[in-house]
Amino acid sequence: AQSVTQLGSHVSVSEGALVLLRCNYSSSVPPYLFWYVQYPNQGLQLLLKYTSAATLVKGINGFEAEFKKSETSFHLTKPSAHMSDAAEYFCAVSDRNTDKLIFGTGTRLQVFP
Amino acid sequence: ETGVTQTPRHLVMGMTNKKSLKCEQHLGHNAMYWYKQSAKKPLELMFVYNFKEQTENNSVPSRFSPECPNSSHLFLHLHTLQPEDSALYLCASSQDISSSGNTIYFGEGSWLTVV
Repeated sequence: AQSVTQLGSHVSVSEGALVLLRCNYSSSVPPYLFWYVQYPNQGLQLLLKYTSAATLVKGINGFEAEFKKSETSFHLTKPSAHMSDAAEYFCAVSDRNTDKLIFGTGTRLQVFP
Repeated sequence: ETGVTQTPRHLVMGMTNKKSLKCEQHLGHNAMYWYKQSAKKPLELMFVYNFKEQTENNSVPSRFSPECPNSSHLFLHLHTLQPEDSALYLCASSQDISSSGNTIYFGEGSWLTVV
């Protein structure tokens, strides 16, 4: 069965600092991987997705993620945090037969001035 | 304007009430989903519809009854709910379920409180 694990339910960074949100996946077949962001009182918005093209995926708002098969990881990074990045971030995996997404438990990002 | 619209945004209902959540997508998609988001728990997939046909019921209690009259509309009928059903209910859509890697688009959710 597929699953994702997000290490750290809360991450705090200073404005301008590097953002690193961790996601490890478990899948018996090459997966599709997604990062979604949820701002307060809103639904989920797609940040980026990996569908087996380039292993380094660039998304919206300056975020990117790198698929590392050897580490079964798909960590999300942003070089310089902005106050507006404060939100909850979800990693998700789907298999190659359906669009059904399996979500991680989420990581809440706080950005301090 | 979001491509997936949910109403109402907030709903408070008693345990004996009957209410419905509505979802409409303007993206021309053929698959629609209901997810439940509770505090400190992963998002839970509840139901999947593809071309109006239900393709997945993830062991959801019968007090939740979905309805998909066409590919653009999805309802979640609520009856005799329990306080633990209080959560954010998210509707989503995608092109279909047969082409993996499709992006799933979410609505802003309906906050449900059962008293």
